[in-house]
Amino acid sequence: SQTIHQWPATLVQPVGSPLSLECTVEGTSNPNLYWYRQAAGRGLQLLFYSVGIGQISSEVPQNLSASRPQDRQFILSSKKLLLSDSGFYLCAWIPSGTRQFFGPGTRLTVL
Amino acid sequence: KNQVEQSPQSLIILEGKNCTLQCNYTVSPFSNLRWYKQDTGRGPVSLTIMTFSENTKSNGRYTATLDADTKQSSLHITASQLSDSASYICVVTMNTGFQKLVFGTGTRLLVSP
Repeated sequence: SQTIHQWPATLVQPVGSPLSLECTVEGTSNPNLYWYRQAAGRGLQLLFYSVGIGQISSEVPQNLSASRPQDRQFILSSKKLLLSDSGFYLCAWIPSGTRQFFGPGTRLTVL
Repeated sequence: KNQVEQSPQSLIILEGKNCTLQCNYTVSPFSNLRWYKQDTGRGPVSLTIMTFSENTKSNGRYTATLDADTKQSSLHITASQLSDSASYICVVTMNTGFQKLVFGTGTRLLVSP
């Protein structure tokens, strides 16, 4: 069966520190992977999507970057966190319009 | 602009009562519309999915409707339970080269005893 893992589950980081969030998928190959962010009181916003290794597309300019080093691994990074980077980050695998799988999410608090 | 708007923003109802949540969208091209339930600090869990040709879809005490002409959807919860307390998110999938999801801001439902 297909499973999406995210870690860490929660993270508290100071402003200016680096960030690395990891998402891995089991039970499939060459998945289309997505990173979403949900700021407090806001809807989920698409940050990045990837259709394969080394292929990253960005939806909005921001302080974050993404990488796809392996087929089933998707990483969200930042060199220097901002207060506005706080939020709930979700990784998703969307094999088709009718099938959508979300990871458990990472709660990031930047102080 | 592709947007999904939900109302109300928040809602408090008594246990056992029914409620209806609304979703209006301006997303094109349209592929399908889902309602998700999201508990705080958790990933969304799909409740229903409807394509363009479907008007209604039920999942237990949850019934979703879709009017593709007016671009409106609703989620009706029957005989609410305390465990229904969560955020309910309307999500429209665009029929693009990659599957882009447009999320509503959600309705926060609190079911009180």
